[in-house]
Order: sequence, then C-alpha cells, then structure tokens
Amino acid sequence: AQTVTQSQPEMSVQEAETVTLSCTYDTSENNYYLFWYKQPPSRQMILVIRQEAYKQQNATENRFSVNFQKAAKSFSLKISDSQLGDTAMYFCAFMTHGTGNQFYFGTGTSLTVIP
Amino acid sequence: NAGVTQTPKFRVLKTGQSMTLLCAQDMNHEYMYWYRQDPGMGLRLIHYSVGEGTTAKGEVPDGYNVSRLKKQNFLLGLESAAPSQTSVYFCASNYRSSYNSPLHFGNGTRLTVT
Repeated sequence: AQTVTQSQPEMSVQEAETVTLSCTYDTSENNYYLFWYKQPPSRQMILVIRQEAYKQQNATENRFSVNFQKAAKSFSLKISDSQLGDTAMYFCAFMTHGTGNQFYFGTGTSLTVIP
Repeated sequence: NAGVTQTPKFRVLKTGQSMTLLCAQDMNHEYMYWYRQDPGMGLRLIHYSVGEGTTAKGEVPDGYNVSRLKKQNFLLGLESAAPSQTSVYFCASNYRSSYNSPLHFGNGTRLTVT
C-alpha cells in the first residue's frame, strides 16, 4: 500500500526563523515524484515544490527547500526566513505512474508563523 | 488564465437531495480528479478520469457518480446526499505525458448536508 505520513499536525515558528516539516512515505515503486502543497486560509491548493525520485539533488524554490532521503523514504520541507504569508496547511504528496497518475496525500501540517 | 474552475463555491443540501458539481479546465489536461477534504484526513480521491468518456473509482467512491463527456469538463454528482458527505470538494487536473506533472486544483466547493 502507498501511504504518506505527516507526523506533525501543528507547528509554529517565529517570523524570520527557519522551520522544517517532516514527511515520510511508503511505496514499492522505484519511479515516483514528490510534492509539497500549501493551503492558506483561502482554501486554494498551491504547489510549493516538487522532486523527482531519480534525482539525488534536493530541489530548491527560493526560501523553500527539501531534504530528500530516498533510502529512508523521507521528504522534509524547510522554510527559511519564515513570513506571515507562510501561515497555511502544508500537504506532502507523491505520485506514481499507474492508471491516472495516482497521487497520495498526507494528512497535513498546520503551520503558524508568529509575528 | 482560468486554470481549473469549480462551481458552485458553497452549497447547502438537505438529506436526500441531489446535486452536481461542475469542474472545467482550460489547460488541455488529459487527467481529471475529484477529491474530498475532511479535517485530519487530508485529501481522498473519489473518482478520476484519464480521458474523455472514461471514469474510474478512487478511494472513496460510494455515494458519488461522475461523468466526463467533454475533455475539459468533469462532473461530480450526489444522487441522495447524506450528512457524511459534508466536506470540501476539490477538482484537479494534470497532463498524462509529463512525468512530473503536478496537480492543478480548483478553489474547492464547501458542501454542507443537513
């Protein structure tokens, strides 16, 4: 079975500080893709960052970076210089190529940035 | 760019009533999906479609039906609404051919069944 686990239901961070959100997954597939989505109070789902499992280099998007450990099946998200606009629910997800590009989501981590 | 558009944004139903949620995308995506989001449970796949005229069941399909008569539209129907179907519903789409194609989401529909 394909599963995604986000073990931190809630987190908080001081503005301008760094925070890391954890994500682990389980799959028997060798080729897959990993994503972090952000859901602010507006409810919109926004892609934050993505990583191909066959790439060893960790993805980076401005203040967002990942620590991808394939052997450990771990995919954590680091947010540097946290801003008030980073307050949101964050979902980890991975995609495999079965019929229909199957996506599997974690239960989310609610992040609050404290001014 | 409209992207993925869902209508309506909010809806309140009484138990036993029916309704249809409409999803439209203008990105020429082959794949479309319907998810529901409940507190503490993340997003769960209801149904999906890999192309016009095709649909398939996801993780939680019971009580829902779907249709994809046109490539750009994906409809989600509730024939007889139940309080357990109170949720936020998201439509999403992506390309078939791009191996790292992320999901593009609509803005969601909040459905309350009383």
